[in-house]
Amino acid sequence: AQSVTQPDIHITVSEGASLELRCNYSYGATPYLFWYVQSPGQGLQLLLKYFSGDTLVQGIKGFEAEFKRSQSSFNLRKPSVHWSDAAEYFCAVGEPTGANNLFFGTGTRLTVIP
Amino acid sequence: EAGVVQSPRYKIIEKKQPVAFWCNPISGHNTLYWYRQNLGQGPELLIRYENEEAVDDSQLPKDRFSAERLKGVDSTLKIQPAELGDSAVYLCASSPRGSGKTGELFFGEGSRLTVL
Repeated sequence: AQSVTQPDIHITVSEGASLELRCNYSYGATPYLFWYVQSPGQGLQLLLKYFSGDTLVQGIKGFEAEFKRSQSSFNLRKPSVHWSDAAEYFCAVGEPTGANNLFFGTGTRLTVIP
Repeated sequence: EAGVVQSPRYKIIEKKQPVAFWCNPISGHNTLYWYRQNLGQGPELLIRYENEEAVDDSQLPKDRFSAERLKGVDSTLKIQPAELGDSAVYLCASSPRGSGKTGELFFGEGSRLTVL
């Protein structure tokens, strides 16, 4: 069965600092991988996705993520955090069967200090 | 383009009462999902529709939960009777036809249920 682990429940960074949010997955093959962001009072929004090919993927809002098969990881990064990035971030895996079901991690809450 | 619309945004009920949530997906999206998000957790799939057909309802507690998607557009999720443990945010999402590889689900803002 697939599973997603986000080991950091809450991360606090200063504005302008770099950011890395961790995500580890468990799946029998290479799944589809996603990062979603949930801002207060808003629905989840897709930041980026990985299906195959280049293991470094670029997303919206200056985010990127790197797929590392050997580590079963898909960590999210941003070189310089803005105050508006404060939100909850969810890593998710999808089955490469076309079913489009997503399995989400428990999320990491990001606080940005001015 | 209008996004996924859900109502009500907030609902407070006594246990054993019924409750219903409504979702209007993005126009043209044939796949509709209901997720439940407990406090401090990620969303968990309850049911997925392809047009009018519920193609995955394995995680829906069928003794008290029901859902329908008449005419393959709007959907309603019902809980009867509600229990204390049903307090959560109920998220609706939709995705367009042929998006099996895109994985981009468009989520509504959610309906927050509090059962007292």
